[in-house]
Amino acid sequence: QSVLTQPPSVSAAPGQKVTISCSGSSSNIGNNYVSWYQQLPGTAPKLLIYENNKRPSGIPDRFSGSKSGTSATLGITGLQTGDEADYYCGTWDSSLSVFGGGTKVTVL
Amino acid sequence: QVQLVESGGGVVQPGRSLRLSCAASGFTFSSYGMHWVRQAPGKGLEWVAIIWYDGSHKYYADSVKGRFSISRDNSKNTLYLQMNSLRAEDTAVYYCARDGGPWGSGDWFDPWGQGTLVTVSS
Repeated sequence: QSVLTQPPSVSAAPGQKVTISCSGSSSNIGNNYVSWYQQLPGTAPKLLIYENNKRPSGIPDRFSGSKSGTSATLGITGLQTGDEADYYCGTWDSSLSVFGGGTKVTVL
Repeated sequence: QVQLVESGGGVVQPGRSLRLSCAASGFTFSSYGMHWVRQAPGKGLEWVAIIWYDGSHKYYADSVKGRFSISRDNSKNTLYLQMNSLRAEDTAVYYCARDGGPWGSGDWFDPWGQGTLVTVSS
């Protein structure tokens, strides 16, 4: 059971938008930055979003992040087949790092 | 370019020990905190441990506390994970990852290594 709660899966057609929620508590998301990671099949995770809503260089602006209270959201617009992957949120809780259980994005 | 390369994985019997290594290159290793994160087959990510840039602080997930030990050799640009009293549930791909910023300024993970598989089985 993960400390952060994500939906197991979301899906949409190419070109559409999906949002992935990440729910926590005041001890983690409520008082810390949230980051998001993309894990393509058979590969290591890759940073998508840091400090709630910042994108590293090379990450397209189709990916966006937001945070409100004890929840965070990752948005993907203009969905592409290459976006099919598992997505994880992460943050901190009393000096320990925690991840969500992961969300599988399927492009229909 | 920034690169992390893990090694040391393999098949080990329950109760035995194993040491993983993570060789870093392309950045000033001694300025960054480092992490181990694992992923059991078909499961999600689980953070394992962190060591500060200077080795002064170490923190562990409850699931490994007292059995695993994280360390680093800044002269060799290498991170280690000593795993003792291994259990079947420790079977996973183990990734090393760097703090997002130097001297604790970035609480995210970037980049990640390619991972090394540890299988605990008799």
